[in-house]
Amino acid sequence: TQLLEQSPQFLSIQEGENLTVYCNSSSVFSSLQWYRQEPGEGPVLLVTVVTGGEVKKLKRLTFQFGDARKDSSLHITAAQPGDTGLYLCAGLGNNDMRFGAGTRLTVKP
Amino acid sequence: EADIYQTPRYLVIGTGKKITLECSQTMGHDKMYWYQQDPGMELHLIHYSYGVNSTEKGDLSSESTVSRIRTEHFPLTLESARPSHTSQYLCATTGTSVGELFFGEGSRLTVL
Repeated sequence: TQLLEQSPQFLSIQEGENLTVYCNSSSVFSSLQWYRQEPGEGPVLLVTVVTGGEVKKLKRLTFQFGDARKDSSLHITAAQPGDTGLYLCAGLGNNDMRFGAGTRLTVKP
Repeated sequence: EADIYQTPRYLVIGTGKKITLECSQTMGHDKMYWYQQDPGMELHLIHYSYGVNSTEKGDLSSESTVSRIRTEHFPLTLESARPSHTSQYLCATTGTSVGELFFGEGSRLTVL
């Protein structure tokens, strides 16, 4: 059973467009992370959110943690080809980390 | 930034062979993990360790075994590889209470 549902599964956009991807669960997490993974590599941590309602910004990326700490979103402004990759969310429950299946983003020049 | 290394990066072997995937970290972290990831799929936890001489099985049933004799090393062994073991294996470590994982580059295993 997948505890974290990510949507959309695939997203292909043109350079300069904005996008939002989602990570939803029925479970409460004490923290949630977003990772980006490129082909043939391990995931790389982008951000950790801990507090319900928390918003964090990383250049053109904005991350939000839901008030109930069950869901999160990642918004990218003016996407660039370098943003292409697999975006994974992961939630920390009772001492274990659960991953979603990811959103595969392609940004075309 | 964590330094975590996996070898080999790529491995193609025949059915029935014994293989060991190596994972080493230089951060002195107690917690280490092995995940299995098939293309387009989520990461599945197959083994974890919270310190020397501590190993546990994860959610995904796996025929592999692990050992943790030293803090730095967390090798994963398949005694008799099968085509169903073909996958990417990712090692990770964390040193924080919020579970931030630092991953190695992965070992892509193909069993013919």
